[in-house]
Amino acid sequence: AIQMTQSPSSLSASVGDRVTITCRASQDIRNELGWYQQKPGKAPKLLIYAASSLQSGVPSTFSGSGSGTDFTLTISSLQPEDFATYYCLQDSGYPRTFGQGTKVEMK
Amino acid sequence: EVQLVESGGGLVQPGGSLRLSCAASGFTFSRYWMTWVRQAPGKGLEWVANIKQDESVKNYVDSVKGRFTISRDNARNSLYLLMNTLRAEDTAVYYCARDDTHRSGITYYDAFDMWGQGTMVTVSS
Repeated sequence: AIQMTQSPSSLSASVGDRVTITCRASQDIRNELGWYQQKPGKAPKLLIYAASSLQSGVPSTFSGSGSGTDFTLTISSLQPEDFATYYCLQDSGYPRTFGQGTKVEMK
Repeated sequence: EVQLVESGGGLVQPGGSLRLSCAASGFTFSRYWMTWVRQAPGKGLEWVANIKQDESVKNYVDSVKGRFTISRDNARNSLYLLMNTLRAEDTAVYYCARDDTHRSGITYYDAFDMWGQGTMVTVSS
């Protein structure tokens, strides 16, 4: 199975900060990667698919980049509602695999 | 209203069985791949299985192969997960999700754009 490694596992940031989360795949997955946001007790929410395509309705403060094995989710200006856990998910091969998650906490 | 609603979770003994259901409404269920994802308490997300629109393709994570069966009934707008020989490590919230697959050339991209609220499965004696 393709292993997905996210970093950092957690980070502390303030409203207005630029936040970057990285995800590394154990093999080339081209651009077959999505990003999801999850808040406590809630279902995940799709942010990005195909590595850089913004899901409809998601604020443009979110962006994704990367291809091959290295990917990045960037929040250009952190908002209060963005404090959550973020997961990458590869859809290049089966089984699909998630990264272990990155918790974004308030500083 | 466009939504997915899971049901069927509960407490079951190790070795037991459970069938989860996911009722879809507000969209044309038969047009979409569907997926099950689970989350153990305090842990991350784990993809479990998916199924093609016509049930011709099903995929599973290795840890559930031979024990879990994904199925669907397009006439009833419902997705199912039959779980047999349950283990303590299957304890999790189980989510169903719609895959709004995006195509670009010959590449298809998963996009789990709609999720249910989740149903809790606890495997314990």
